[in-house]
Amino acid sequence: DAKTTQPNSMESNEEEPVHLPCNHSTISGTDYIHWYRQLPSQGPEYVIHGLTSNVNNRMASLAIAEDRKSSTLILHRATLRDAAVYYCILRDAATDKLIFGTGTRLQVFP
Amino acid sequence: EAQVTQNPRYLITVTGKKLTVTCSQNMNHEYMSWYRQDPGLGLRQIYYSMNVEVTDKGDVPEGYKVSRKEKRNFPLILESPSPNQTSLYFCASSWSSKNIQYFGAGTRLSVL
Repeated sequence: DAKTTQPNSMESNEEEPVHLPCNHSTISGTDYIHWYRQLPSQGPEYVIHGLTSNVNNRMASLAIAEDRKSSTLILHRATLRDAAVYYCILRDAATDKLIFGTGTRLQVFP
Repeated sequence: EAQVTQNPRYLITVTGKKLTVTCSQNMNHEYMSWYRQDPGLGLRQIYYSMNVEVTDKGDVPEGYKVSRKEKRNFPLILESPSPNQTSLYFCASSWSSKNIQYFGAGTRLSVL
């Protein structure tokens, strides 16, 4: 199974952009890159996903490197409610399984 | 409101006493899954179900059973719980295995 590597923690100030990096050097050509986040005392929730092209939605943007070995989740203006653990996940093309790592804990300061 | 509901949210039990954690979704999803979350290990899949009466093992199925008699419900059964099953459990559902998964709020289980 292809794995992802993320920093354990990151910090941001409110209203500033946040760039959360993820390395996935063993990604296969058909693995989708998913991002979920887990707010305190809640289950994970979907944020965004992509295959090759950059993606935008109301929550965030996903920038995928041309070689697909890394990606970056971008929160354009962090709020206190964005404090969570962010998981970069590869959906295994053969099994469709989401393979979770340990994620990045994002702290947002007022 | 679309949701995945797990019960109970918290459970303390003793070794060997059978228990069931229920999971119900109101989105008519075909795919449902159980995960456990342990410190330093992220979420690991226990069992999943592609549709009614179709279940399969995930990465850590030992000591667990599931059933899928109706589309909306996917209970997780621990026939003889042991302390190493102390964990935080999440149920999830989606239209198919390829779609966005919606997670429940979690069940924190302690086995003494």
